[in-house]
Amino acid sequence: DTGVSQDPRHKITKRGQNVTFRCDPISEHNRLYWYRQTLGQGPEFLTYFQNEAQLEKSRLLSDRFSAERPKGSFSTLEIQRTEQGDSAMYLCASSDSGGNEQFFGPGTRLTVL
Amino acid sequence: LAKTTQPISMDSYEGQEVNITCSHNNIATNDYITWYQQFPSQGPRFIIQGYKTKVTNEVASLFIPADRKSSTLSLPRVSLSDTAVYYCLVGDRTGGFKTIFGAGTRLFVKA
Repeated sequence: DTGVSQDPRHKITKRGQNVTFRCDPISEHNRLYWYRQTLGQGPEFLTYFQNEAQLEKSRLLSDRFSAERPKGSFSTLEIQRTEQGDSAMYLCASSDSGGNEQFFGPGTRLTVL
Repeated sequence: LAKTTQPISMDSYEGQEVNITCSHNNIATNDYITWYQQFPSQGPRFIIQGYKTKVTNEVASLFIPADRKSSTLSLPRVSLSDTAVYYCLVGDRTGGFKTIFGAGTRLFVKA
């Protein structure tokens, strides 16, 4: 296993468009997390899955954001009607049930023009 | 979730030991202390985690006093490649470990 992967690595879109990002966690990990990071700040927690169940959502996750993990494996994060303020790095991480260590992917950098 | 406070930035020279202290005054009984490292344009990378006293691995040591209201990450003999942002996190890992990152400490190692 090569670790957590994210696709695409970079996305440029126009304001008002919808975008979808994919995260493939480490195969044996049942926990999956999404974060958003802006320049100079630490990652901000968005949401967390245990298997296919979405157990926590941050207030940062507005109605325009939705995340799924339909089969408890890969996850998608969709942003509808993107705004310039959505420009950020979107990070995915996974861990096992012990939660000792989260393994992060390389991130998807979103630029909204 | 316990809030953490750590220095915004630190400078060091190659070969020196670096100690980064994190304050977490309202840490809960079930909370663990975890440190991550992040290089530009990469996701954070786990360094070390502990609950009390001292934890050591091949990369760093983590010192936690008895009251657990602070912790110190110790990096022995840093090199230029240790220039990064270091995050201190506090959280309960049993319930999903919702992770709150602060702004971190930017360590700059000079030659």
